Amino acid sequence: DAGITQSPRHKVTETGTPVTLRCHQTENHRYMYWYRQDPGHGLRLIHYSYGVKDTDKGEVSDGYSVSRSKTEDFLLTLESATSSQTSVYFCAISPREANTEAFFGQGTRLTVV
Amino acid sequence: SQQGEEDPQALSIQEGENATMNCSYKTSINNLQWYRQNSGRGLVHLILIRSNEREKHSGRLRVTLDTSKKSSSLLITASRAADTASYFCATAPFSGGYNKLIFGAGTRLAVHP
Repeated sequence: DAGITQSPRHKVTETGTPVTLRCHQTENHRYMYWYRQDPGHGLRLIHYSYGVKDTDKGEVSDGYSVSRSKTEDFLLTLESATSSQTSVYFCAISPREANTEAFFGQGTRLTVV
Repeated sequence: SQQGEEDPQALSIQEGENATMNCSYKTSINNLQWYRQNSGRGLVHLILIRSNEREKHSGRLRVTLDTSKKSSSLLITASRAADTASYFCATAPFSGGYNKLIFGAGTRLAVHP
């Protein structure tokens, strides 16, 4: 799967606890993305990164923060998880060049109880 | 609000028939891409069409793009049961160089043997 690993693959956590999801790539691609997928909404962009320490907000960034200290790792943190953040989270990567495809990880299913 | 909107939301056909899915978007784009998602899996890239292209083919897939109407269509010819999946269009907005992809809500395709 294009050298993308998401961890954990499944997580159940309690409301109010912090949660960090990790995306690791071995492709040395410049761009990395975090999406969430919910029924009826497709994929919605949370945050993305265009380089080490360079990140920007997407459509649904409230309640989420990200960090990218190395090219290969993009972390998504829920500072204080809420039930509305129960979702499937996908990481994606794409190369520096414009007009190129994105490659997706297998997803992390997060349940906040 | 999301950039891309697919139509129909769900499509059910028999094997051998053609399947057509449509996508509309709102802002100027660099390119438009179609992805496929099998149940519970990550997304897989199918085809990319640039803003200066009108039609593109890949195997049984045919994609058209009408930038004046801000719309695209994906045609799958001679469908097979294995084509059963969700299909998403994604647009790369003309936003100054970042490869940010915005997805629609998707079309669920069911192909019956």
